[in-house]
Amino acid sequence: EAGVAQSPRYKIIEKRQSVAFWCNPISGHATLYWYQQILGQGPKLLIQFQNNGVVDDSQLPKDRFSAERLKGVDSTLKIQPAKLEDSAVYLCASSLQGLSNYGYTFGSGTRLTVV
Amino acid sequence: QKEVEQDPGPLSVPEGAIVSLNCTYSNSAFQYFMWYRQYSRKGPELLMYTYSSGNKEDGRFTAQVDKSSKYISLFIRDSQPSDSATYLCAMSKETSGSRLTFGEGTQLTVNP
Repeated sequence: EAGVAQSPRYKIIEKRQSVAFWCNPISGHATLYWYQQILGQGPKLLIQFQNNGVVDDSQLPKDRFSAERLKGVDSTLKIQPAKLEDSAVYLCASSLQGLSNYGYTFGSGTRLTVV
Repeated sequence: QKEVEQDPGPLSVPEGAIVSLNCTYSNSAFQYFMWYRQYSRKGPELLMYTYSSGNKEDGRFTAQVDKSSKYISLFIRDSQPSDSATYLCAMSKETSGSRLTFGEGTQLTVNP
């Protein structure tokens, strides 16, 4: 089966600019996650969707980050305005409902550099 | 205090060595434990998934969980250069629907 697709792979922006990342999960996977991985750290959950509804966004900096999952398939994560500390890899993952922890599949991520 | 602690390394071993990777955690609500492998510029991939205390073996990999000590380990036998990667422990409170909490990751290099 095809994996989790993410684009772009790399992005360099100046601080205060905006940026958007796109994720296409594995077909049929109801649950979609966005994680932030800062260099040298483990991934941290930003937001979790179940179909097109938000399940957990408690760690999402809502003053600058937003995410949506239209029609319960693709998702976009946006940062506006970006700060230097947002430099990280943004990982998208998906899983089947009911088997979410075992069946997690991550994409290769988008590496964001804010200068 | 972090909920999950993991020695970041780096760890460098010769080919064929036995590797031991460890994590400790503070939240007794964690019930499900995973080890992920992450190659450079790739997303994490699941290696092992365990629930109960004890050992689980899969080929050259053994995952060990000690809930009483809040301590988990991953052992790699007969390590290979292809095992060179960052190893992340992860844990969750429920089998589905809850976030994964990751350790910092241990960077492992296996030298031929």
